[in-house]
Amino acid sequence: QLVLTQSPSASASLGASVKLTCTLSSGHSGYAIAWHQQQPEKGPRYLMKFNSDGSHSKGDGIPDRFSGSSSGAERYLTISSLQSEDEADYYCQTWDTGIRVFGGGTKLTVL
Amino acid sequence: EVQLVESGGGLVQPGGSLRLSCAASGFTVSSKYMSWVRQAPGKGLEWVSLIYSGGHTYYADSVKDRFTISRDYSKNTLFLQMNSLRAEDTAVYYCARDDGYFDHWGQGTLVTVSS
Repeated sequence: QLVLTQSPSASASLGASVKLTCTLSSGHSGYAIAWHQQQPEKGPRYLMKFNSDGSHSKGDGIPDRFSGSSSGAERYLTISSLQSEDEADYYCQTWDTGIRVFGGGTKLTVL
Repeated sequence: EVQLVESGGGLVQPGGSLRLSCAASGFTVSSKYMSWVRQAPGKGLEWVSLIYSGGHTYYADSVKDRFTISRDYSKNTLFLQMNSLRAEDTAVYYCARDDGYFDHWGQGTLVTVSS
């Protein structure tokens, strides 16, 4: 079964960097994922798609502070030079034929 | 510029029906995959339904046999017909352009199922 696992929460200081993790279920380590941001009281926003080979594409207007990486079944979203507006929920998402799957989301607090 | 605008949400009694619409601009709905995603109050995102450009449709188990996704080429609009609604269907419903991943999202429409 295709499942994504995320830590429920993370925190980092203003101006620092943070790395969020999304883990693919066993047998699915080669899957691409996407990252979405949801600021408080807003709808989701597409950040980037990240393939297991390291190639990626970003959504319109997404700053270079947001980057992706991977290791095995883990996919990472790194946000550098944290700003107050980065405080949000971050969801990873993947797909297969006829199914779309979200991780449970990570709530990022900027201290 | 791609835009998605949902409408049709509201308050409905358990067992009732509602039809959501998602008006698209900047691209042709029927030439792309499209999905509906929902978010219950205080919860995470849940994929609901998907329609392929060729017309095949797919549903989450939680809504199978109750919800129907469709589209209208002339109106460039995506729909979600929701029947036999339950309290647990209460959520903000988003439409999204789907390329496997969701590269554009609407602003959402709230559906409340309550007596």
